[in-house]
Amino acid sequence: QVQLQESGPGLVKPSETLSLTCTVSGGSITNYYWSWIRQSPGKGLEWIGYIFYSGTTNYNPSLKSRVTMSVDMGDNQFSLKLSSVTAADTAVYYCARDIYGLGFDPWGQGTLVTVSS
Amino acid sequence: NFMLTQPHSVSESPGKTVTISCTRSTGSIASNYVQWYRQRPGSAPTTVIYENIYRPSGVPDRFSGSVDRSSNSASLTISGLKTEDEADYYCQSYGGDNLRVFGGGTKLTVL
Repeated sequence: QVQLQESGPGLVKPSETLSLTCTVSGGSITNYYWSWIRQSPGKGLEWIGYIFYSGTTNYNPSLKSRVTMSVDMGDNQFSLKLSSVTAADTAVYYCARDIYGLGFDPWGQGTLVTVSS
Repeated sequence: NFMLTQPHSVSESPGKTVTISCTRSTGSIASNYVQWYRQRPGSAPTTVIYENIYRPSGVPDRFSGSVDRSSNSASLTISGLKTEDEADYYCQSYGGDNLRVFGGGTKLTVL
């Protein structure tokens, strides 16, 4: 079955850019939407945005000015960049397949990114 | 965009039934599908209800979902509560421009 795995630095300095990659295994990235979701410590889930395999994107308006997503079909991966990070961006970041009506399934295990100098 | 409002916490005894509500602030709850996710500590969320009322394979029929137009809310009902049901539960739906929105989450305690 399809499995997702997030990867990237666990520590990012304030004002720098957070970069994460999600590798999809057990299935193709083709024909699906793929989302990033984050969860600040002790808080709820926040949808960051999605990217379609073709490259079409849709971002949460609250983060739109700082978010860039991209897809690499050759490596079956998609990526997230979040610029100008602050301590408020400290969170567990999840990637997930996103199907309208079915929701997010499956999810990656999540990766904690801490913003600190 | 809209908000989905859930109770912060609910608690009930084993064997009883609990219902968690998810109220949409603007727009009709029936205009888009609602999903429900369970998140146990230290784990990623998993789907327990999709398309308002359907259970993924592996989710027991003790879990059910519904939508009520009159209250503009969706509900997750768990019957025959077990201690293993203790978790955080999130509703999620869709808004204009295909945005995805989560509720704030409900902590279920089974005591």
